[in-house]
Amino acid sequence: QSVLTQPPSASGTPGQRVTISCFGSISNIGSNTVNWYQQLPGTAPKLLIHTNSQRPSGVPDRFSGSKSGTSASLAISGLQSEDEAIYYCAAWDDSLNGRVVFGGGTKLTVL
Amino acid sequence: QVQLQQSGPGLVKPSQTLSLTCGISGDSVSTNSAAWNWIRQSPSRGLEWLGRTYYRSKWYNDYAVSVKSRITINPDTSKHHFSLQLHSVTPEDTAVYYCAREVGPGNGYNWFDSWGQGTLVTVSS
Repeated sequence: QSVLTQPPSASGTPGQRVTISCFGSISNIGSNTVNWYQQLPGTAPKLLIHTNSQRPSGVPDRFSGSKSGTSASLAISGLQSEDEAIYYCAAWDDSLNGRVVFGGGTKLTVL
Repeated sequence: QVQLQQSGPGLVKPSQTLSLTCGISGDSVSTNSAAWNWIRQSPSRGLEWLGRTYYRSKWYNDYAVSVKSRITINPDTSKHHFSLQLHSVTPEDTAVYYCAREVGPGNGYNWFDSWGQGTLVTVSS
């Protein structure tokens, strides 16, 4: 059972906009920033969004992030087939001496 | 451009010690602006942060409570790498293990910007 809660799956057709939610608590998302990672099959996670809404260099502006209270969202606009992947949210959690916690991941399918 | 290259055995016997190394190129394990982490991933536990080492005038380690009694993460400044040792392993420690660089302004605001390629470690006799 992951500390951060994500829907297990999401889907959309090419060109559509999809959003993926991430729910936490005051000790993690409510007090700290949220990061998003994209994991393609057989590869390591890759940083997609950091500090709630910041895109690293090289990440298309189709990807955007937001945070409100104890929840966060990742939005993907202009969906493309190569966006099919698993997306994870993550945040620092102030409980248990401090630790990084992850969501369970959302498998995005491009129909 | 930092790159992390993992090495280590893919099979460990129960009760023995899992040992992995993460080689760093393009940065230094002794930098004051990053921390060096180990994370694992399994179908049953998902992504699980294990711990980190970092240098801020002296060396620090932080470990997840779940593994704190049997984990050691050590930097090796002469060889530009850091290592993971997980003692007394059981089949529940079977997972893909990743090393990752953590950057950012400080606890609660950081992120993992570079990851190793991952190492599948199976605990079995």
